[in-house]
Amino acid sequence: QQPVQSPQAVILREGEDAVINCSSSKALYSVHWYRQKHGEAPVFLMILLKGGEQKGHEKISASFNEKKQQSSLYLTASQLSYSGTYFCGTATLRTNAGGTSYGKLTFGQGTILTVHP
Amino acid sequence: NAGVTQTPKFRILKIGQSMTLQCAQDMNHNYMYWYRQDPGMGLKLIYYSVGAGITDKGEVPNGYNVSRSTTEDFPLRLELAAPSQTSVYFCASSLSGQRGMFSYEQYFGPGTRLTVT
Repeated sequence: QQPVQSPQAVILREGEDAVINCSSSKALYSVHWYRQKHGEAPVFLMILLKGGEQKGHEKISASFNEKKQQSSLYLTASQLSYSGTYFCGTATLRTNAGGTSYGKLTFGQGTILTVHP
Repeated sequence: NAGVTQTPKFRILKIGQSMTLQCAQDMNHNYMYWYRQDPGMGLKLIYYSVGAGITDKGEVPNGYNVSRSTTEDFPLRLELAAPSQTSVYFCASSLSGQRGMFSYEQYFGPGTRLTVT
């Protein structure tokens, strides 16, 4: 089942902060965050593995609450280059008797972020 | 490194025609994926592969077939094209390792824009 992202769209001025949320109804193995600009391929931002970790990269960070099956992406002091559509992907995983991993990565519907000067 | 390459970039098919979308990566990644993205929507996993000779269905496999004879190549076959298959198709690859599937960054190709009329 597709994870649910909120909000669907955000409009910011440069320097403002934003939070994008992602929630799932399933137990998660990992959460992925990607940014996609119009007409381009998705670009990796970060991955969070189960364990409730928080990761950061410059002014973009994320948290993963395994118990609540939720993740949030934090964008601080936004820049014009942050504009785009943000997707979370939630992974569920199973391992067979032979040790081979199988699973699915399901993406949310996306959050459109627009940063104005 | 070229990364993940896809051909063709654009294609128009008539209903009932067949075609193969090519995908290749030169990063020696074991895991490869095919996604489709409909306008304004997120990515949906069609098929994935954990290594040469091993493939598995994703979320929306109907109407598609894949094969993985080498580590580098992962073609997607459309048989009897239908208007519902009009979409942008992305191929991706990722590392494999101890952390398991869906624990590593996915590298996306530039996409193939397919129209079925």
